[in-house]
Amino acid sequence: AQTVTQSQPEMSVQEAETVTLSCTYDTSESDYYLFWYKQPPSRQMILVIRQEAYKQQNATENRFSVNFQKAAKSFSLKISDSQLGDAAMYFCAYTGADKLIFGTGTRLQVFP
Amino acid sequence: SAVISQKPSRDICQRGTSLTIQCQVDSQVTMMFWYRQQPGQSLTLIATANQGSEATYESGFVIDKFPISRPNLTFSTLTVSNMSPEDSSIYLCSGLYEGSYEQYFGPGTRLTVT
Repeated sequence: AQTVTQSQPEMSVQEAETVTLSCTYDTSESDYYLFWYKQPPSRQMILVIRQEAYKQQNATENRFSVNFQKAAKSFSLKISDSQLGDAAMYFCAYTGADKLIFGTGTRLQVFP
Repeated sequence: SAVISQKPSRDICQRGTSLTIQCQVDSQVTMMFWYRQQPGQSLTLIATANQGSEATYESGFVIDKFPISRPNLTFSTLTVSNMSPEDSSIYLCSGLYEGSYEQYFGPGTRLTVT
């Protein structure tokens, strides 16, 4: 069965600095997709960034980028120039085709 | 991105009662899902809502406790039946859109059972 592991329950970063959130996963499938979702206190799940497993190039969305290491089954999220509005829970998620499997989440605090 | 609405946004219910949560998406989807997020926890899939047929439930979730309907492509309901305090959670619906592998979520329903 597929699993997603986030080993950092909490992280903190100073405003304007860079932070990296870790995620590892386990799967026997060759074709899959990985995501990072953000959940602020409003509880709305917001899709931050996605990565197709067949693509070698790391995905980038503005200040958010990933480091996708397929052989190591690692999928970390880098947030550059952190802003106060980045404070939230971040969930790493995996899907083979439809169902999403989530990690346990990392709470990110941003200090001014 | 997609627009997905849920109602109610929150409710406080008494033990032994039932609550039905509605989910509406703004355009056609291929699949709809219901998730539960217990306090301080991650999201767990309850079931896949199938149009015009019985939902597909994940291990640990049963139809008698969480009946789900999906009468058309853009609407689904989840009922939490015979509630107990352990059912206090956030319930979220999501949609998977045709031609996409990305799921978009509704704003969630915060349920408190007293």
